[in-house]
Amino acid sequence: SAVISQKPSRDICQRGTSLTIQCQVDSQVTMMFWYRQQPGQSLTLIATANQGSEATYESGFVIDKFPISRPNLTFSTLTVSNMSPEDSSIYLCSVVVGTGELFFGEGSRLTVL
Amino acid sequence: GEDVEQSLFLSVREGDSSVINCTYTDSSSTYLYWYKQEPGAGLQLLTYIFSNMDMKQDQRLTVLLNKKDKHLSLRIADTQTGDSAIYFCAESIGGGKLIFGQGTELSVKP
Repeated sequence: SAVISQKPSRDICQRGTSLTIQCQVDSQVTMMFWYRQQPGQSLTLIATANQGSEATYESGFVIDKFPISRPNLTFSTLTVSNMSPEDSSIYLCSVVVGTGELFFGEGSRLTVL
Repeated sequence: GEDVEQSLFLSVREGDSSVINCTYTDSSSTYLYWYKQEPGAGLQLLTYIFSNMDMKQDQRLTVLLNKKDKHLSLRIADTQTGDSAIYFCAESIGGGKLIFGQGTELSVKP
């Protein structure tokens, strides 16, 4: 298994500001992803965080809005830029381990006023 | 494109069995997953099944996979009030990426 820590666990932000969410894994993992869960909704994949190169974004998500870093095999950050109330969501980091199991962090609950 | 469908609500009595159903569209999925989400919490991996399996049992949980019909189910035996949560079905679409269903809210009444 993998233990995934996310910071912050929750935050309240003002419109127009940016927030960076951190994801730390207790072991080296090849695959790391960022998902968004809007209120009352399911999860949607934002991007794949690639170690040492630019993230791969899914349709509807762009680097300018959601810049992602992945400096090593245990850590990644997701920034939500120029926030609006529509960005209020839970943002979750996930990793794949060698057995094919896919684990999630506890999520970062973001409220934008 | 890929799609995963679940019914939105299920209500059972404590001690009964719960069966949560899911259909998916990508026949090349290698893994199918079940996650549990309690209020205010993240996603807990309950179980997963490899696409070449028909069934997987893990304590009170039984997963059945009908690959021909692209149908997946999760059976929870002896359902308890602590099982009340939202259950998400997800299919892998390659590269470690998942497509999630809408989630089934399970309500367990004493």
